[in-house]
Amino acid sequence: DSGVTQTPKHLITATGQRVTLRCSPRSGDLSVYWYQQSLDQGLQFLIQYYNGEERAKGNILERFSAQQFPDLHSELNLSSLELGDSALYFCASSIRQGGLTGELFFGEGSRLTVL
Amino acid sequence: AQSVTQLDSQVPVFEEAPVELRCNYSSSVSVYLFWYVQYPNQGLQLLLKYLSGSTLVKGINGFEAEFNKSQTSFHLRKPSVHISDTAEYFCAVTEGGGADGLTFGKGTHLIIQP
Repeated sequence: DSGVTQTPKHLITATGQRVTLRCSPRSGDLSVYWYQQSLDQGLQFLIQYYNGEERAKGNILERFSAQQFPDLHSELNLSSLELGDSALYFCASSIRQGGLTGELFFGEGSRLTVL
Repeated sequence: AQSVTQLDSQVPVFEEAPVELRCNYSSSVSVYLFWYVQYPNQGLQLLLKYLSGSTLVKGINGFEAEFNKSQTSFHLRKPSVHISDTAEYFCAVTEGGGADGLTFGKGTHLIIQP
């Protein structure tokens, strides 16, 4: 158990819909990262938050957005869903104290299926 | 920009045989390198990491990796694999000062044959 909690574990929805994925980081971790894993694209970094502020942005579509709340949990919002958005979405967290600790702790993922 | 290439998408190995999973990276600056393992229906778990110092890094479950700067490689090895090592293995890199969005390779599926 990594200590990172993601909900829901599975989600099935239709094209054009909007979903929200939730992540609770490990206790004490200030950074939250979102990754998308699909068969054709592999693991793609989407976005990182540190203590409530956006820290780094990767290959995140404009239809997707995220935020980190004061209690440090994070939500990834996916809107106008397309078939190609079907993937496993991972959240990871880490301690960041001005230097590299290196390790990301991953949740078990939220599997999104768009029909 | 940094990138990672895992040369083999799939590696079949007999149980108790040695294995090497290959990883090459490209970056214009100093890097930190990682290997993660993903067991079926689970998240990723850190196997080992190279930040600085000794180029031979030992990790969990008997795995080790060697950082080779001249060849820009970070290959993962295990002298004797077990059926429980069947999993997807990911090499990842980040540049310089932090774990800001690790760049992952596409993964290598290690298949252990009895």
